[in-house]
Formats: sequence, structure tokens, C-alpha cells
Amino acid sequence: GENVEQHPSTLSVQEGDSAVIKCTYSDSASNYFPWYKQELGKGPQLIIDIRSNVGEKKDQRIAVTLNKTAKHFSLHITETQPEDSAVYFCAASRETSGSRLTFGEGTQLTVNP
Amino acid sequence: EADIYQTPRYLVIGTGKKITLECSQTMGHDKMYWYQQDPGMELHLIHYSYGVNSTEKGDLSSESTVSRIRTEHFPLTLESARPSHTSQYLCASSESRSTDTQYFGPGTRLTVL
Repeated sequence: GENVEQHPSTLSVQEGDSAVIKCTYSDSASNYFPWYKQELGKGPQLIIDIRSNVGEKKDQRIAVTLNKTAKHFSLHITETQPEDSAVYFCAASRETSGSRLTFGEGTQLTVNP
Repeated sequence: EADIYQTPRYLVIGTGKKITLECSQTMGHDKMYWYQQDPGMELHLIHYSYGVNSTEKGDLSSESTVSRIRTEHFPLTLESARPSHTSQYLCASSESRSTDTQYFGPGTRLTVL
């Protein structure tokens, strides 16, 4: 089955700096890669996703890149703000009828004012 | 925001009690999931369902049981709660046909004394 590894487990940045979280996956057939943000006391919320037919996707200050050859994908947050502080999860799946997401271990991002 | 609900949000209960955590979604999603999340952040899949009368055990062994009698409802039951069951329980759902994107509820924080 799929195995997703996520690094780093904790990340502390100064407000305004960029933050990068990286994930690797093992199943070469995986083609769907979402990112979730979990704020304290809440469930994870989808913030951006990418499918294997594209290499990069942007949404305002967040972007995701995908390297299918190396089997890794990354989340980039620019101009970080204190409200970006949260736990971030990457995930991967084949997106077929019987498939489901495999999540990474999570990254605790802290943005210091 | 996704229409997926969990009750109760917080529950403190004594050892040996039977408890049921409720999860409902109004999106008509076929797939539903239960995750256990400890303070170490990682999401552990304990049960999932691909439709009515279909339930499967997840990657992490759990003493809990689930049922799926209606599409919108996926309750989790612990017959005899123990302190080791203290955790955050997250419910999620996804539309089976076109995507594995999961939508999470707000979670239930369970404390067993």
C-alpha cells in the first residue's frame, strides 16, 4: 500500500518569511495529492490539492509543487502570517473507485509575530 | 464549508460506560471514515465505509465498532470505555465517484476517567 512521509514535523518561521513542507510517497500509481490545514480544536480543512497532470498549482499565498519522477510534493506558503499557524497534513491516493487517502504524519507550523 | 457534523464535541465519561459518537453528513457522500488523533498529531484510520451496510476496519486496531444503516449517518460505539480510549475522534466523508477529497467534521474530544 501507499506510504507517505512528511517533513519537518515542526517548523517555526518569522512573520513574512516563507514556509516549505515536503512529502514523499511510495505508490507510483498515486495521482491525487491534497493538503489539509488543522487549526486548534477543529477538524482538518482542505486548502489546496494537485493532480498528476500538473506540476504546480497556486492559490494566493499558497502553492503546491509535484515531482512525479522523484515521487515528492511540497507545500509553499509565502508571506506567512500568524493565522497560518496550524498543523498541516499532506496526503496521496490513486483516486480510483476503491481508493482512499493516505496521510502524512503532520507538520506543526508556528509563525512568530 | 462541508456539511459534516459530530456530536458531542466534548465528552468526559467514567470507565466501563458505553458511548456512541455521532457523525452525520448532508452531502450524500458514499464514503465515510473515522480517525483517531492523539496529541502527537498523526491521523490514524480506525474504520471506514464505502456505502450502506458496508464497514471495514482501518489501519489502526480499535476496540470500537461502527454501523452504516443510512448513507448520511456513521456512528462509532465503544461498549466499555477505558482511559486508553481518551483521544480526539474525527469523522470524514468523501464522494466516491470522482474524487478522494475528504471533508472532516469538527471532532469529538473524548476523555475517559
